Amino acid sequence: EPEVTQTPSHQVTQMGQEVILRCVPISNHLYFYWYRQILGQKVEFLVSFYNNEISEKSEIFDDQFSVERPDGSNFTLKIRSTKLEDSAMYFCASSEEGRQTQYFGPGTRLLVL
Amino acid sequence: EDQVTQSPEALRLQEGESSSLNCSYTVSGLRGLFWYRQDPGKGPEFLFTLYSAGEEKEKERLKATLTKKESFLHITAPKPEDSATYLCAVLQAGTALIFGKGTTLSVSS
Repeated sequence: EPEVTQTPSHQVTQMGQEVILRCVPISNHLYFYWYRQILGQKVEFLVSFYNNEISEKSEIFDDQFSVERPDGSNFTLKIRSTKLEDSAMYFCASSEEGRQTQYFGPGTRLLVL
Repeated sequence: EDQVTQSPEALRLQEGESSSLNCSYTVSGLRGLFWYRQDPGKGPEFLFTLYSAGEEKEKERLKATLTKKESFLHITAPKPEDSATYLCAVLQAGTALIFGKGTTLSVSS
């Protein structure tokens, strides 16, 4: 069964460093998303992406964040200068065009020291 | 004010003891309500999508129902492997899912 994959599974970085989280969405899906979950808290929406541009973003998704589809299969989330409060699980999700259901990847656990 | 509220926060059941999880929502113009299962340290695993009041979906021991203000996830004769956190999410306008805090279910044998 097709699934969303994410790399790396864990990332430790120093405050102020840039990190790039990678995702391979399900192959025939055209909508891509990033969510995050701080330990013990709700899953929160960051951004959605369609047709090579951002469809929607939340207040969390400030200028420190960016997304990109560098090729036909990958979807990335970049955090330019990480802060302690960026420590969280980051989930990528994808959905088919015309369908509302979003399928999530296994997540990347980011720890900022 | 939370737009999606799940109750109870935690639920402990004996194997075979059926129960229900609740998800109430206050959004208007619901475009879909979603149930996911999340195991510790893992991503949400899709279970059901419900679109309109009166709709029901079933999968193995799970059944999801939807009214105009809430959804229930009924678990019939649960097994220990059903232990997980069950997340409810709604889609209002746009593309962003709004999640509840989840119900953590523990089933003991």
